[in-house]
Amino acid sequence: SQQGEEDPQALSIQEGENATMNCSYKTSINNLQWYRQNSGRGLVHLILIRSNEREKHSGRLRVTLDTSKKSSSLLITASRAADTASYFCATAPSRGGSQGNLIFGKGTKLSVKP
Amino acid sequence: DAGVIQSPRHEVTEMGQEVTLRCKPISGHNSLFWYRQTMMRGLELLIYFNNNVPIDDSGMPEDRFSAKMPNASFSTLKIQPSEPRDSAVYFCASSPPASRGTDTQYFGPGTRLTVL
Repeated sequence: SQQGEEDPQALSIQEGENATMNCSYKTSINNLQWYRQNSGRGLVHLILIRSNEREKHSGRLRVTLDTSKKSSSLLITASRAADTASYFCATAPSRGGSQGNLIFGKGTKLSVKP
Repeated sequence: DAGVIQSPRHEVTEMGQEVTLRCKPISGHNSLFWYRQTMMRGLELLIYFNNNVPIDDSGMPEDRFSAKMPNASFSTLKIQPSEPRDSAVYFCASSPPASRGTDTQYFGPGTRLTVL
């Protein structure tokens, strides 16, 4: 079953504006990751935040994690047309089990208009 | 590094035919994942291997689907017989050993399968 649920499903903004996407999950996690998918391509890893971290930055990306609310947000600042893509959150469950399994949400489709 | 390699990139076949999708993971990675992506169902994990051993195949839709990983550098996903509802983009992904401290997955470009 889907653990991560992104919100909103679709987001349309103008170039230069900030884009915020949210992700909620259900079970305890080791880490949460955000991926990007351009149309017709595979997913590309953007950033990983561990369960003991609250905020992380990478370039124009800022990720927050609130384990008490089981939620995360991805902020893209000063968006560009090239940021147009679908963005997925993925959680690594902390339950016992095999290494490496991630559970992906259904994604947020971001459209940045020039 | 070449990244995850998948072949073919596109496959069009007729209902009832056998389809074989291929994947070469990144060298040194010891986990391999097969996903299916559709508009309706999003990204679904079908099966994953760790050190060439299938760990969780609970996502495999039915007996028509099978996957193998005969060695660390090659995996196949087979559908026999194929049906129109199998039409989707199939992704292969790999990840490095846990000892490297990350379970980031690296995706291939996908195989777009159309079953007529």
